[in-house]
Amino acid sequence: QQQVKQSPQSLIVQKGGISIINCAYENTAFDYFPWYQQFPGKGPALLIAIRPDVSEKKEGRFTISFNKSAKQFSLHIMDSQPGDSATYFCAARLGSWGKFQFGAGTQVVVTP
Amino acid sequence: GAVVSQHPSWVICKSGTSVKIECRSLDFQATTMFWYRQFPKQSLMLMATSNEGSKATYEQGVEKDKFLINHASLTLSTLTVTSAHPEDSSFYICSASERLLQETQYFGPGTRLLVL
Repeated sequence: QQQVKQSPQSLIVQKGGISIINCAYENTAFDYFPWYQQFPGKGPALLIAIRPDVSEKKEGRFTISFNKSAKQFSLHIMDSQPGDSATYFCAARLGSWGKFQFGAGTQVVVTP
Repeated sequence: GAVVSQHPSWVICKSGTSVKIECRSLDFQATTMFWYRQFPKQSLMLMATSNEGSKATYEQGVEKDKFLINHASLTLSTLTVTSAHPEDSSFYICSASERLLQETQYFGPGTRLLVL
């Protein structure tokens, strides 16, 4: 079963707009939540990550919001640019050295 | 920092042959390496986890005799697809973790395998 549920499956946003991708999990033992960006034909690249003792983390135009009680976390891409068009994956890790559980991915298209 | 390379980037082979894919951590020691498989427009599917000097741990449903993984050093892991068949055609991606790098996984650029 999918331990990390990601939505939406795809997203179209205009240049300058905000892209929001949501993930939900069930296992409260997850201790690390990264987001990865993947371009076609390339490997995923770490974008930003958060631990469950922090409610928000911002790096440039990318922000993670984390709601521990709701077991949800989201990625916000501010001032979206055409170069942000990619597939985004959320993930959750179970303990140090643990495996990552990946969401299904969200394809983001930023129109000029 | 935290660069992971893969070689080759793409490979075409005939059915029945074996193919080896290398994964290297270029600027850190990879205590743990992971191998994933990804089909078009799908998420990453973990195949196996390997720790340096020990046998790989395979995910349920992954044939260990077909996908041989060797993590011989702290900077190199290899995946060998033995007796490849067209259904093995896929995008194979490795990742590596090292304690001092916040314990996250850094991914390689991937290897596209096409079996004819």
